[in-house]
Amino acid sequence: DAKTTQPPSMDCAEGRAANLPCNHSTISGNEYVYWYRQIHSQGPQYIIHGLKNNETNEMASLIITEDRKSSTLILPHATLRDTAVYYCIVRASPIRDNYGQNFVFGPGTRLSVLP
Amino acid sequence: DAGVIQSPRHEVTEMGQEVTLRCKPISGHNSLFWYRQTMMRGLELLIYFNNNVPIDDSGMPEDRFSAKMPNASFSTLKIQPSEPRDSAVYFCASSLAPNQPQHFGDGTRLSIL
Repeated sequence: DAKTTQPPSMDCAEGRAANLPCNHSTISGNEYVYWYRQIHSQGPQYIIHGLKNNETNEMASLIITEDRKSSTLILPHATLRDTAVYYCIVRASPIRDNYGQNFVFGPGTRLSVLP
Repeated sequence: DAGVIQSPRHEVTEMGQEVTLRCKPISGHNSLFWYRQTMMRGLELLIYFNNNVPIDDSGMPEDRFSAKMPNASFSTLKIQPSEPRDSAVYFCASSLAPNQPQHFGDGTRLSIL
C-alpha cells in the first residue's frame, strides 16, 4: 500500500484559501488520490479524487504534481463550516474483478478555520 | 436524495448483551462498507460487500462480530456478546462500485458498559 503523509493540523483565516498538502512519494501508477473530510460527529464526506490531472468540483480543487508524489487540496474560500479533519488517501482502481485496495484512513489534517 | 441511513444513532448497553447495528445504503449502490472509529485506532474498515456478497472481512476483529446483507437495501452488523472495548462509532458507507467514492452515514455511537 502507498502511504500518505499529512501535517497533523493547520489554521486558515475565514474567507482565505486553505491549501492542504499531502505527500504520497511511493504512489503507484494505477493509484488514485482521494480526499475526504470529517466534520465533528459526522461521517466522512467525499470531496474529490484524481489520477494525474488537476481536478475541480463545487467543493474544492485538487492539484497533483507532475511526478504524482504529492498533491494539494484547495478550498478556495474557507468558511467556519470547513473546520474538519481532512484525509488524503491513495488507492488503486480495480480492473475487472480485482476489487483493488481498501480505503485506509490515516490521522489526517485537522483544519481550523478561524474567524 | 436520501443518503446512507444508520440506526440507532446511539446505543448504550451492558457488556454481554447482543448489539445489532443497521444500515440502509443509497439506492442503486452495489457496494457497502462497515467501519469502526476510535480515538486510539482511527477509522478502520471491518468488512465490505459487493452485490450483497461479503468480499473482504479481514478487518472484523473476532468471531463476536458478524455482518449480513440479506438484500441490496439492508445490512446489519452484530456483536454478540458485546464487551466494553467494542465501544466506538460505527459507520456504514456505500458506493456505486468498489472503486467509486464512498458515501458515509452519520454513524452509530456505541457504548458498552
